Amino acid sequence: NAGVTQTPKFQVLKTGQSMTLQCAQDMNHEYMSWYRQDPGMGLRLIHYSVGAGITDQGEVPNGYNVSRSTTEDFPLRLLSAAPSQTSVYFCASSYPKGPQHFGDGTRLSIL
Amino acid sequence: ILNVEQSPQSLHVQEGDSTNFTCSFPSSNFYALHWYRWETAKSPEALFVMTLNGDEKKKGRISATLNTKEGYSYLYIKGSQPEDSATYLCASLNYGGATNKLIFGTGTLLAVQP
Repeated sequence: NAGVTQTPKFQVLKTGQSMTLQCAQDMNHEYMSWYRQDPGMGLRLIHYSVGAGITDQGEVPNGYNVSRSTTEDFPLRLLSAAPSQTSVYFCASSYPKGPQHFGDGTRLSIL
Repeated sequence: ILNVEQSPQSLHVQEGDSTNFTCSFPSSNFYALHWYRWETAKSPEALFVMTLNGDEKKKGRISATLNTKEGYSYLYIKGSQPEDSATYLCASLNYGGATNKLIFGTGTLLAVQP
C-alpha cells in the first residue's frame, strides 16, 4: 500500500518557469489537500478538494492552480514560479473529517 | 481565516520529565481537533482526532484533552523520552460555507535531552 505519493522530491526552477507537482493516493480518500511549510509558519493550506471535480481555495492560494479529475490524483500547478514560492510542499489525503495522511514532501527552490 | 495558536513555541525538557502543550482554536462552528507528530525530515503523522467536548484520548505515554466550549486542547507526554523529540502540530476543522478547511497551528517543538 503506497499511501500518498508525491513527485518530484526535489526541484529547482528559474523565476517565471512553470511546473506541476504530482500527488497520488491509493486509499480511495475523498479529501485531498496541498500545504506549504515555511520556517516559523507551520503548514499553510494552499488548495483542497472534497471530491473529484470539486476544489476550493485555502489560506494561501495565489500563484497556484489545482484540478481534481480523478479521486486518486491532485496535481498542483505553478504557472509562473516566483522566489516567494520556494518552500516544502506537502500533499495529504483523508476520509471526510478523518486524520490526514501526508506524502513525503517536495522541496522546491525558485532562483 | 481561522486562527489556531499553539504554545509554547518550543520546549526543552530532560528525559523522564512530563510535559504538556496547549492548542487554542475557534470554538464557533467547530467540528474536530487534530494532533500530529512531526519528526525532522519526515512527514506529519496523526496522533488523535477529537470531536466531542470533554474528549480524552491516549496513545501510550501521550494523551490529549478537548474543551470545545472555550476552544482549547492540551497534549500531555508522561515521562518524556529522547524519541519523543519532534514538532507537535494541532489543527482545527471548522465549518465554513459549503466546505470545511483544516487549519494548522505553527507547532510546538519539543527537545528531550537524555
